[in-house]
Amino acid sequence: AQSVTQLDSQVPVFEEAPVELRCNYSSSVSVYLFWYVQYPNQGLQLLLKYLSGSTLVESINGFEAEFNKSQTSFHLRKPSVHISDTAEYFCAVRNYSSASKIIFGSGTRLSIRP
Amino acid sequence: DTEVTQTPKHLVMGMTNKKSLKCEQHMGHRAMYWYKQKAKKPPELMFVYSYEKLSINESVPSRFSPECPNSSLLNLHLHALQPEDSALYLCASSAMGAANTEAFFGQGTRLTVV
Repeated sequence: AQSVTQLDSQVPVFEEAPVELRCNYSSSVSVYLFWYVQYPNQGLQLLLKYLSGSTLVESINGFEAEFNKSQTSFHLRKPSVHISDTAEYFCAVRNYSSASKIIFGSGTRLSIRP
Repeated sequence: DTEVTQTPKHLVMGMTNKKSLKCEQHMGHRAMYWYKQKAKKPPELMFVYSYEKLSINESVPSRFSPECPNSSLLNLHLHALQPEDSALYLCASSAMGAANTEAFFGQGTRLTVV
């Protein structure tokens, strides 16, 4: 079985400041790792994913996440946030088998202050 | 086309009503999912369909009845719901096999049971 822990339920930051959203996972098998973003009153959008290969993955809007196998972490970072980044961020895992469950963390609400 | 389309966007129903939520995708995905999301919580898996057959039922009450009439459509039939069933219902789809990595989510149906 897999599990995901997001330790921070809320992260307030000032605009243009850097941010890190933490994610740790537990699994006895190899997994895919994801970050999804949910803007208010909307569905979930994939922000970025780690499948294999390079441990640093990037999104088109400046976010990046680094897979650390020894620490079983997949933290999300952005060097300079914008008001438009205000949203709920979910870390998620799934194992390699077909049509398997996506297990979500509890979410981190990122609020940007001007 | 990377869209998952859900209808309706909003639904208010009484506890004696029968209604259906609909989900459609044209990405050729053969895995489709229903999730339930309560406010300020992560999505919780309800059902998974693989090749139009129910493969996972997360012990969901029988007042929720899923249906997958073809590879592009997924329905969720609702009957005799309770007020605590009010939530955002999210549909998702993904590829199968080696291409099965991330799931694509719809915008959700916000259900209110009165």
